[in-house]
Order: sequence, then C-alpha cells, then structure tokens
Amino acid sequence: AQSVAQPEDQVNVAEGNPLTVKCTYSVSGNPYLFWYVQYPNRGLQFLLKYITGDNLVKGSYGFEAEFNKSQTSFHLKKPSALVSDSALYFCAVRDRNYGQNFVFGPGTRLSVLP
Amino acid sequence: IAGITQAPTSQILAAGRRMTLRCTQDMRHNAMYWYRQDLGLGLRLIHYSNTAGTTGKGEVPDGYSVSRANTDDFPLTLASAVPSQTSVYFCASSEGLVGSAEQFFGPGTRLTVL
Repeated sequence: AQSVAQPEDQVNVAEGNPLTVKCTYSVSGNPYLFWYVQYPNRGLQFLLKYITGDNLVKGSYGFEAEFNKSQTSFHLKKPSALVSDSALYFCAVRDRNYGQNFVFGPGTRLSVLP
Repeated sequence: IAGITQAPTSQILAAGRRMTLRCTQDMRHNAMYWYRQDLGLGLRLIHYSNTAGTTGKGEVPDGYSVSRANTDDFPLTLASAVPSQTSVYFCASSEGLVGSAEQFFGPGTRLTVL
C-alpha cells in the first residue's frame, strides 16, 4: 500500500529565509514523487516531480526537492521564501511498478511572513 | 486552452437530492479522476477512469457514481446526497493511469449538503 506523510500541518518562515516542507512516503516498489501547490479557492498546481536520476529536482517558482531513498523522503525546499509562496502544499506518490493512482499527503500550510 | 473546467463552482443541496458535478478537459488525456478535499485529510480519490468506457473505484466511492462516455467528460453523480458529502470536489486528468505524468486539476466545486 502507498502512503504519504507530511509531519507538519503548518510551517512559518520569514520572507527571504530558506524554507523546507517535509514529506515522507511508503510504497511497495519504486516511487514517482510529486509536489503540488494550492492557493486559496483554487485547484492544485503541479510544482515538480521526481522520476529517476538526479536526486535534486528543480521545479516552478524557484522550488526544488531532494529525493532521499534511504530516508524515503522528498522534502520541498526554496532558498529564499516570498510572501507570495504562502499556500497549501501537497506531496504525492505513485508506485511506478504497482500503483495505478496517486496518493496525497494531508497537506502543509506554508505562511511566509513579511 | 482551458485545461479542466468544472461546474458548478458551488452548490447548496438539500439532503436526499440528486446532484451531478460536471468535469470537462480539453487536453485529450486518457486518465481522469475525482477527489474530495476535506480539512486535515488531504485529497481522497473517489473514482477514476483509465480511458473512455472504463471506470474504477477509489478510496471513498460509496454514495458516488461516475461515467466516461467520451474522452473529455467525466461527470460525478451523488444519487442521494447526505451531509457527510459536504466537501470540495476536484476533477483531475493525466496522460495515463500509470507512469510519471503529473495530474492537472480543475478549479473545484464547493458542495454543501444540508
């Protein structure tokens, strides 16, 4: 069975500081991993994904994520946070060998304070 | 290109009434999905479709039905609405039911069942 955990409901960070939103996963096989962002009253928007190869993945709006197989983690990072990054962030996993569907984490609300 | 459209944007419904949420995509994606989003629970898959003419049950299918008569449309029907179906509903699509392609989401339908 697939599962995703986002251990922090809320992350607060000052503008200009680096941010990290944590994600750990569990799959039977090897994962495809995704990050999505949701702004208020909007649908989810794709940020980035890990397929294979380089463990550091770069995505939209300056975000990046690091795949760590031994820790089964895929933390989202950004070197310098903007107030406009404040949103709800979802991590998702799909088992590349056995999974038909995506499994989403519960979401982490990021607040960037001016 | 509109991507995915959903209708209505919001709806207040009396318990026991029948309701169909509409979803249309113009990306010619094979796979389509319906999720519900509830606070603290993230997104939960209701039903999915691999291709026109086929559908499958997700994590929380009870009380919902879907059809996929063609590639573009994937309506979700609540046969007899109950208050626990109060939620925000998102339709999504992806190129395939397996693989590394990300999902694209509609703007959502906010449904309140009284």
